[in-house]
Amino acid sequence: EAGVTQSPTHLIKTRGQQATLRCSPISGHTSVYWYQQALGLGLQFLLWYDEGEERNRGNFPPRFSGRQFPNYSSELNVNALELEDSALYLCASSLAGQAKPLGEQYFGPGTRLTVT
Amino acid sequence: AQSVTQPDIHITVSEGASLELRCNYSYGATPYLFWYVQSPGQGLQLLLKYFSGDTLVQGIKGFEAEFKRSQSSFNLRKPSVHWSDAAEYFCAVGDSGYALNFGKGTSLLVTP
Repeated sequence: EAGVTQSPTHLIKTRGQQATLRCSPISGHTSVYWYQQALGLGLQFLLWYDEGEERNRGNFPPRFSGRQFPNYSSELNVNALELEDSALYLCASSLAGQAKPLGEQYFGPGTRLTVT
Repeated sequence: AQSVTQPDIHITVSEGASLELRCNYSYGATPYLFWYVQSPGQGLQLLLKYFSGDTLVQGIKGFEAEFKRSQSSFNLRKPSVHWSDAAEYFCAVGDSGYALNFGKGTSLLVTP
């Protein structure tokens, strides 16, 4: 069974540009989560999508946004990039959702975003 | 708000020795608790989880963890460490919003 996949592996952008990161969940998983792992800040929750809807978001500005497609894959967009957005962005998927008890999350390998 | 504390930033253990990584949480209700491991340049791999029931949970790679409500702890243990266990270990608590709140992590170094 294929795990969570993310693309691209690495992404280099200039300050002010936009970045798009992609995630494909494990087959059968309907929930997708995004986390930011920045140096010195640890892992922080960004966004949760379930059944195509944004269900929860962490303490991040609105320039961090995303969506979930009908096939449950997801996209994270970061607009007006700032230097401090440089981080490893991890996507996770889960069977958990609004109507199900919290389940374990399975993580992808991440996308390393570098903003110069 | 829920939070997770991993008091040890770095731990060094000799290969073959036992290991205990500490995790303390702050949460109002019965927590959902997890331990993940991250090897350099990799994503996170789930080692084990606690939702309810038996407070001693077994995980993969020979790891176990014990939930102690009275101490608000969920410490990770392994009786004999292998060099391949060197990695970053994260404790996490799941909240009602289905997000995971992670501790800052403990970096494990294994010496020969």
